[in-house]
Amino acid sequence: KNEVEQSPQNLTAQEGEFITINCSYSVGISALHWLQQHPGGGIVSLFMLSSGKKKHGRLIATINIQEKHSSLHITASHPRDSAVYICAVSHRSGTYKYIFGTGTRLKVLA
Amino acid sequence: NAGVTQTPKFRVLKTGQSMTLLCAQDMNHEYMYWYRQDPGMGLRLIHYSVGEGTTAKGEVPDGYNVSRLKKQNFLLGLESAAPSQTSVYFCASSYPGSSSYEQYFGPGTRLTVT
Repeated sequence: KNEVEQSPQNLTAQEGEFITINCSYSVGISALHWLQQHPGGGIVSLFMLSSGKKKHGRLIATINIQEKHSSLHITASHPRDSAVYICAVSHRSGTYKYIFGTGTRLKVLA
Repeated sequence: NAGVTQTPKFRVLKTGQSMTLLCAQDMNHEYMYWYRQDPGMGLRLIHYSVGEGTTAKGEVPDGYNVSRLKKQNFLLGLESAAPSQTSVYFCASSYPGSSSYEQYFGPGTRLTVT
């Protein structure tokens, strides 16, 4: 079983829909990261969370440390949100390494 | 401030050929990493470095070598390329002083081995 699991693996939505991507992890962490990768593009950090909730524009990320679960929400989705969203955790031991989920491929249709 | 850059962006190699991928960062980061990304498998750590002159193996190091002679550069070498090394390679860097060690990624190098 992977230490970081994401769901769903693939998601197709209509423009304007509210989208949720989930991430569960099984290790102790110091932080959880949500990353975005557009087709053929580089990897950009969206959020870094150690507790609670963060919001940036139409994106909201939450984390529940007790349940070892995080969600990424996109409100009023738009075709430009189409990308792969990757969850990664920094291990609590303070190592410098990320443990990655396999990503969620999102397609938003106009 | 260019962040993390990678050279080249694309490369096609024949089996058995060698090449070096260059990663450079201008953020004075101590830590640098090389990942490969394959469909359905997520990002996997090849090698990493916690400072100039030091390197260590990651999850999938076989067939690759690295060097960190200067703090700002991290080189990934393929001595004898194999088709299984066809992948997209990402470099990243991070700095100490933050318990979460946030990583900053380069744009990637798409490598095809025929």
